[in-house]
Parts: sequence; structure tokens; C-alpha cells
Amino acid sequence: GAVVSQHPSRVICKSGTSVKIECRSLDFQATTMFWYRQFPKQSLMLMATSNEGSKATYEQGVEKDKFLINHASLTLSTLTVTSAHPEDSSFYICSASPGGRVTEAFFGQGTRLTVV
Amino acid sequence: AQSVTQPDIHITVSEGASLELRCNYSYGATPYLFWYVQSPGQGLQLLLKYFSGDTLVQGIKGFEAEFKRSQSSFNLRKPSVHWSDAAEYFCAVGSPDSNYQLIWGAGTKLIIKP
Repeated sequence: GAVVSQHPSRVICKSGTSVKIECRSLDFQATTMFWYRQFPKQSLMLMATSNEGSKATYEQGVEKDKFLINHASLTLSTLTVTSAHPEDSSFYICSASPGGRVTEAFFGQGTRLTVV
Repeated sequence: AQSVTQPDIHITVSEGASLELRCNYSYGATPYLFWYVQSPGQGLQLLLKYFSGDTLVQGIKGFEAEFKRSQSSFNLRKPSVHWSDAAEYFCAVGSPDSNYQLIWGAGTKLIIKP
């Protein structure tokens, strides 16, 4: 299957700083990328959907000024957690779709963010 | 309301025993159904999916699932589990009419007894 690489796999940052997470589709062009957040022992929560070259669509309740998403190319999307706080600590997962459909998406390995 | 229910938060089975993980859904449209596996600290890997056709779907790693429309279920099965199958399993439902949303179950943690 297609490969989606997410980096870093783990990051620890200080409260108030910003953290950037990268999501790359390695062997296909991703028309659409999805960003999820997973709380401990819970399922995935879709945060936003991004299409290459356009602004991301955020789900209700997700602060777009806090979670900045950039999808500048067909193989790269980034999620920047700005002014991170301990409550932002979580597992963030991206997925990428070659055809724009979530039903065809492939997942990255996830990023464990810890804000101290 | 659209929802996916995985009734078992965790299941413990002995290595070599058979496995069935339950998934029930409530969905207004024709569903696309998925099972994903997540190993500790890892992303999600697609085990199998059902879009249409044969209601018994074969996936990777020896898993299969059966779509039963009358029961709104899509249970995952494996005839003989291996210790490496220990992970979290998620059922998800999507729609051919919606490009951007999957409805996720809460997951079932599979524990393998030696």
C-alpha cells in the first residue's frame, strides 16, 4: 500500500512554544490530507481536512488559530500547534488520500506530543 | 444519528484461539465499512474494507469480516490469533456520498494470553 510518513514520532516541548508536525505522502500525490487527534483510550477525532493549495476546513470546536494547517504541495501537509499548553498533549495522526476521498486514505505513524 | 459501536472495550484471548470483534453501526446511507489496527504508539493500518459485493471480506494478516445488513454489523474475525495481534482495533463507517468523514468506533483492545 501507499506510504505516509509523519514526523516527528515523538516531541516534547515547553508550554508556550510552537510545534510543527509534518505529514508526507511518499509514493503518491495526496489531494487531501486529514488531521486527527486521539485522546488516551479513545477513538480518533477529526480535526481538519486540507486540500492542496487551499485553506483547511476545520471541524467544529477545533481552534484554527491554534492548530495551523498548511498543505502547500501534493506531498506535504503540516500541522503547527501554536502556543502549546499541557492540554494540547495528545497523539496526532495524519492521513492522506490520493483521490480526495477519506475512504481511500492512508495513515501516518502518528506523533506523540507532550507539552511540559 | 450516525454512530459506530464497539461493545467490547477489551478482549482477552489465548494465543491460537479464535477471535471475533464486534462492530455495530447506525448509518443513514449505504455504508462503507472499515477495520483498522493500531499497535502501541503507532498509526493506523487498514486491515480490510467493505464497499460492495461479497459480504465476506478478506483482509491482511489472516483477518476477515462479514457485513450483515440486517444486523447492521461488521464483525472482525480471525481463526487463530498470534501474540503479534495484540493491539487496538477500530471499526469505522463512511459513505460513498461523503468524501470527508469517517465515523469511528471507540476501539477494542485485544490482549493475547500466552
